[in-house]
Amino acid sequence: EDKVVQSPLSLVVHEGDTVTLNCSYEVTNFRSLLWYKQEKKAPTFLFMLTSSGIEKKSGRLSSILDKKELFSILNITATQTGDSAIYLCAVVSGGTSYGKLTFGQGTILTVHP
Amino acid sequence: KAGVTQTPRYLIKTRGQQVTLSCSPISGHRSVSWYQQTPGQGLQFLFEYFSETQRNKGNFPGRFSGRQFSNSRSEMNVSTLELGDSALYLCASSLGGYGEQFFGPGTRLTVL
Repeated sequence: EDKVVQSPLSLVVHEGDTVTLNCSYEVTNFRSLLWYKQEKKAPTFLFMLTSSGIEKKSGRLSSILDKKELFSILNITATQTGDSAIYLCAVVSGGTSYGKLTFGQGTILTVHP
Repeated sequence: KAGVTQTPRYLIKTRGQQVTLSCSPISGHRSVSWYQQTPGQGLQFLFEYFSETQRNKGNFPGRFSGRQFSNSRSEMNVSTLELGDSALYLCASSLGGYGEQFFGPGTRLTVL
């Protein structure tokens, strides 16, 4: 059975801190890894990673994938209170052209002013 | 471009009833996936449809079913509701393949 594990499950920091969120996976027929941010509503897409060692960056957020060690990290630098959310990691797998997402439990990030 | 829409946004039902949820994907997206989100289990995959065919199915009982229409809109049905079915049901659409999925706002189902 496909498995995605995120750590830590929750994290409390102060504005300006840098955080690293972890995601490890065990799936068959890995296709891609996705990061989402979920505030009070539906998850919003952050990054899609398919190749090892290539960093994806968007503002203060960045992410990288290691397909040999089967993990990904999401970094947030200079955190702000608006970064408070649940961060979800999901892996797309499947032998057909149509993948399914397996999600991790999520990391609850709380940023205090 | 309009995002993924889901209706209704909130539903209250009693045990034993059935419910139908609707999802309209982003224009041009042919793949629609459904997920159940609960505090204890997180986000769990229900099923995925592409071109009116179910391509993938998660580990949910047969009470959970779905379908997709020729315009890519999808419906999900849950029969004989149980208290444990109370959850946020999320629909996501994509072009298909292994790319990112875009989520709708969800339907919050409460079973009393």
